Amino acid sequence: RKEVEQDPGPFNVPEGATVAFNCTYSNSASQSFFWYRQDCRKEPKLLMSVYSSGNEDGRFTAQLNRASQYISLLIRDSKLSDSATYLCVVNMYSNSGYALNFGKGTSLLVTP
Amino acid sequence: GAVVSQHPSWVICKSGTSVKIECRSLDFQATTMFWYRQFPKQSLMLMATSNEGSKATYEQGVEKDKFLINHASLTLSTLTVTSAHPEDSSFYICSARNRGQGAAGNTIYFGEGSWLTVV
Repeated sequence: RKEVEQDPGPFNVPEGATVAFNCTYSNSASQSFFWYRQDCRKEPKLLMSVYSSGNEDGRFTAQLNRASQYISLLIRDSKLSDSATYLCVVNMYSNSGYALNFGKGTSLLVTP
Repeated sequence: GAVVSQHPSWVICKSGTSVKIECRSLDFQATTMFWYRQFPKQSLMLMATSNEGSKATYEQGVEKDKFLINHASLTLSTLTVTSAHPEDSSFYICSARNRGQGAAGNTIYFGEGSWLTVV
């Protein structure tokens, strides 16, 4: 079983739509959680951290359910520039210490 | 903000040769650096964790003799792909944790990545 699992998509949505991504993780001892965004052939960039209480940053809302080991990202009023791959990332402790474990990513394409 | 510089961005090499990729933290001390590899349409896979002044810890399935990692200073880590083969062609990316963050520090800074093509 993979450490971090995501629906790869792709999600094709029109501008202005609301879209939600889900993610599950296997290690219940995971410390911290993030959503990253990766554009084609570029390095991933931090979009937002995810907290149990839920957090919002403009059009983006992230939720964490530790009991279900489930993370979500909601994007409202989608823009063309939101087209990218969204990576669910979990900071886990392993033999080599804390390291970020990445999901495979969910591809989003926002169309005019 | 903190910056991690990775070099080269692109490299093409002949099969059998070795390639070195550098990862530098430009404005902070990185006690821990991470090396990832990403194949097309795949997730970033952690290859190894590198702590300054000590040997790198490799993930299962990653050959330490093939992927040599050196972290000799608090601002520089290098990954050398030895005797590269076409199947090693991939996107290699480093990241660094700020020394001040502690072992469970949340803020990880990524380099821009290096595209390796072995022909």
